Amino acid sequence: DVKVTQSSRYLVKRTGEKVFLECVQDMDHENMFWYRQDPGLGLRLIYFSYDVKMKEKGDIPEGYSVSREKKERFSLILESASTNQTSMYLCASSMTGPDTQYFGPGTRLTVL
Amino acid sequence: ELKVEQNPLFLSMQEGKNYTIYCNYSTTSDRLYWYRQDPGKSLESLFVLLSNGAVKQEGRLMASLDTKARLSTLHITAAVHDLSATYFCAVESNFGNEKLTFGTGTRLTIIP
Repeated sequence: DVKVTQSSRYLVKRTGEKVFLECVQDMDHENMFWYRQDPGLGLRLIYFSYDVKMKEKGDIPEGYSVSREKKERFSLILESASTNQTSMYLCASSMTGPDTQYFGPGTRLTVL
Repeated sequence: ELKVEQNPLFLSMQEGKNYTIYCNYSTTSDRLYWYRQDPGKSLESLFVLLSNGAVKQEGRLMASLDTKARLSTLHITAAVHDLSATYFCAVESNFGNEKLTFGTGTRLTIIP
């Protein structure tokens, strides 16, 4: 069965802290994605990766960076968290080619 | 820039009734996906539509794709309470970069 896991379901951080969100998939998928979901705005793509050590900016990359050192793991980094980064963060993965994306359970991040 | 519009944004319907959710998109694509999200949960893949005229059915839900009209529909037949959820469509552009652009979602509430 397809599985995408995220390191935390809920996270509370303070403004200015460095925050790491981890995502792991066990399906040997090439593609991995990070989204944030906010009420009324739907899902917005932050960064994605087609392969190890490869990354592409999505629609809203400002204030974020990513790391993909191993195929199964894709990390989202908030270098200096701000209150406007309070959101639900969703990780997803997919195979190369037309394929649905499989989503993790999400991390609800609150920045105080 | 690919834009995806869903309507309605909110839908409240009685059990046993039929209704349709519409998903319009702005540029050429023949790859469209439907997802379901329950409150507080992540996204679950429902349908993958990969060609003009594609139709997929699962239980009381049926999705179709008209690439010429740039329109997909999600039809609900004889609604039951456990179909209450938020439904998202997502479109992948034909440029093959495998990014998805999501609609803002339709929150469906089925009233007994």
